[in-house]
Amino acid sequence: DQQVKQNSPSLSVQEGRISILNCDYTNSMFDYFLWYKKYPAEGPTFLISISSIKDKNEDGRFTVFLNKSAKHLSLHIVPSQPGDSAVYFCAARPGGPLVFGKGTRLSVIA
Amino acid sequence: GAGVSQSPSNKVTEKGKDVELRCDPISGHTALYWYRQRLGQGLEFLIYFQGNSAPDKSGLPSDRFSAERTGESVSTLTIQRTQQEDSAVYLCASTLLLDRDAQYYGYTFGSGTRLTVV
Repeated sequence: DQQVKQNSPSLSVQEGRISILNCDYTNSMFDYFLWYKKYPAEGPTFLISISSIKDKNEDGRFTVFLNKSAKHLSLHIVPSQPGDSAVYFCAARPGGPLVFGKGTRLSVIA
Repeated sequence: GAGVSQSPSNKVTEKGKDVELRCDPISGHTALYWYRQRLGQGLEFLIYFQGNSAPDKSGLPSDRFSAERTGESVSTLTIQRTQQEDSAVYLCASTLLLDRDAQYYGYTFGSGTRLTVV
């Protein structure tokens, strides 16, 4: 049973536009949510996190929104750049090892 | 070193052989994790070490999988009698467990070992 779900396997966005990546979760005990970015042949790298007590966290072009009532979070990238093309993983912390989604492949088209 | 180092980066092995994967975590990181990513799947937790505590082995898929860690340093993941379904990228990550500020930085991952069982 997947506790963290990324229902869109892929997303294509034009350069300069907004990219919105979505993630749903089922466990209300998660206390932190994270986004990781992964390039081919590299390990995932941390991008941004949000505590469950907040609803928004911003870092440069990246903003994560958390809607606890809907058990939904999203990552907004504005403006999108070709270098943002990668697989993005949503992860959540249940008090033990992080639980990851299956990832969404983002392609930013120049 | 500056990051988490894994070796080998690629391994091709015959079905039924044993393999050993190595992970060098970031110095001073108390926690070490092994995950794997099979084709088209997300990151699947395997095992977790924290200091001198007994490891959390709850994610190991079968008794053919085992892992060791010496203190807070190198870890090895061993897969005995490999099967084709073991083919995956095996990722190691380390982290400091104590978060002193509101931001949680999660894990630092290595580049992984791509295991192919033929």
